[in-house]
Amino acid sequence: ETGVTQSPTHLIKTRGQQVTLRCSSQSGHNTVSWYQQALGQGPQFIFQYYREEENGRGNFPPRFSGLQFPNYSSELNVNALELDDSALYLCASSKGTGPSYEQYFGPGTRLTVT
Amino acid sequence: AQTVTQSQPEMSVQEAETVTLSCTYDTSESNYYLFWYKQPPSRQMILVIRQEAYKQQNATENRFSVNFQKAAKSFSLKISDSQLGDTAMYFCASQNSNSGYALNFGKGTSLLVTP
Repeated sequence: ETGVTQSPTHLIKTRGQQVTLRCSSQSGHNTVSWYQQALGQGPQFIFQYYREEENGRGNFPPRFSGLQFPNYSSELNVNALELDDSALYLCASSKGTGPSYEQYFGPGTRLTVT
Repeated sequence: AQTVTQSQPEMSVQEAETVTLSCTYDTSESNYYLFWYKQPPSRQMILVIRQEAYKQQNATENRFSVNFQKAAKSFSLKISDSQLGDTAMYFCASQNSNSGYALNFGKGTSLLVTP
């Protein structure tokens, strides 16, 4: 069984640019959640997709947007990058969106904004 | 707003000893889960243990156990017989039903296991 994968592993962008991060969910999982982890902090919830629909959103501005595809893989898009967007971006997949479903995390994408 | 507080930024323990990591939380949920996640230096977050709030019995997973005090909103993690591979960041987390049961994480405790 393939776990959660993310691409790219690292990338460097310039302030004002746009970036797309990708996440492949674990087989049989229909829910993907995205988190931002700043250096030395715990992950912060960005948003969640369940069966291709946004199912919840954290306290992030609209320039953070996402998409989930029919195979349940997902993208995180960030427009007009700011220096504070530099962080580790984690995605997690689960079999559903209820309280009992365990979330499985990918290895993350390290984004540096200069 | 739901909050999770970990008051120990760093801890150290010798191999084979026992260590307890603290966590307090605040939630308005009637039924909820609490979690401890481990993030080793390689970055991948791994679930260590979880507790369903309505279960009075404390969860255990091999060398890992929790002390869940619901009235005090306290959820500590005990690691017995510490091993070098336990060196990692440990995050306590609750869930938020208003956001698809997304996880609310604390700031983490960095645990170093020394020989």
